Amino acid sequence: EIVMTQSPATLSVSPGERATLSCRASQGVSSHLAWYQQKPGQAPRLLIYGASTRANGIPARFSGRGSGTEFTLTISSLQSEDFAVYYCQHYDRWPYTFGLGTKLEIK
Amino acid sequence: QVQLQESGPGLVKPSETLSLTCSVSSGSISSYYWSWIRQPQGKGLEWIGYIFYGGNTNYNPSLKSRISISMDTSKNQFSLALNSVTAADTAVYYCARFLLGDAFDSWGQGAPVTVSS
Repeated sequence: EIVMTQSPATLSVSPGERATLSCRASQGVSSHLAWYQQKPGQAPRLLIYGASTRANGIPARFSGRGSGTEFTLTISSLQSEDFAVYYCQHYDRWPYTFGLGTKLEIK
Repeated sequence: QVQLQESGPGLVKPSETLSLTCSVSSGSISSYYWSWIRQPQGKGLEWIGYIFYGGNTNYNPSLKSRISISMDTSKNQFSLALNSVTAADTAVYYCARFLLGDAFDSWGQGAPVTVSS
């Protein structure tokens, strides 16, 4: 199975600043990559699919890039509601797998 | 907008079968793929398996020998059965919707399940 590695495990950023999260796949997954946001006690919420397409209702400050094995999620100007855990997930072949997450915390 | 809701026992004894149901509302169960995903406390997400209308299923090889996913189209529900459970199966279990070759776009709120005697 494809292993998804996210870095860093924890990222401390001040509100209003930019945050960049990374995700690496152990094998190429084309653009079959999604990003999810999860807040405590809630289900994950789809942010980005196709590596760079925002899901319905997702603000423009969220952007995704990459293809193959290297991907990034950028949040351009952090709002208070953005502090959460972010997971990447490939859907290139079965089994679909997730990264272990990056916790975005307030600096 | 589709809504998913998990239901089932929150406590299961070791070696017994964990059974959960996902009820789908505001949308037909026949048009999408439906999946189970779990998350142990404080840990990452693990895809368990999926089912499509007509009974087509696919399971995570790590769990394949112990799981079964079924669908009841008359009730707009699908279900998970995980047998021979151990403490390692303690997790929050989510049901989710997707299209083949796409991401999980809708999720239930999650059902916490503890395996303990």
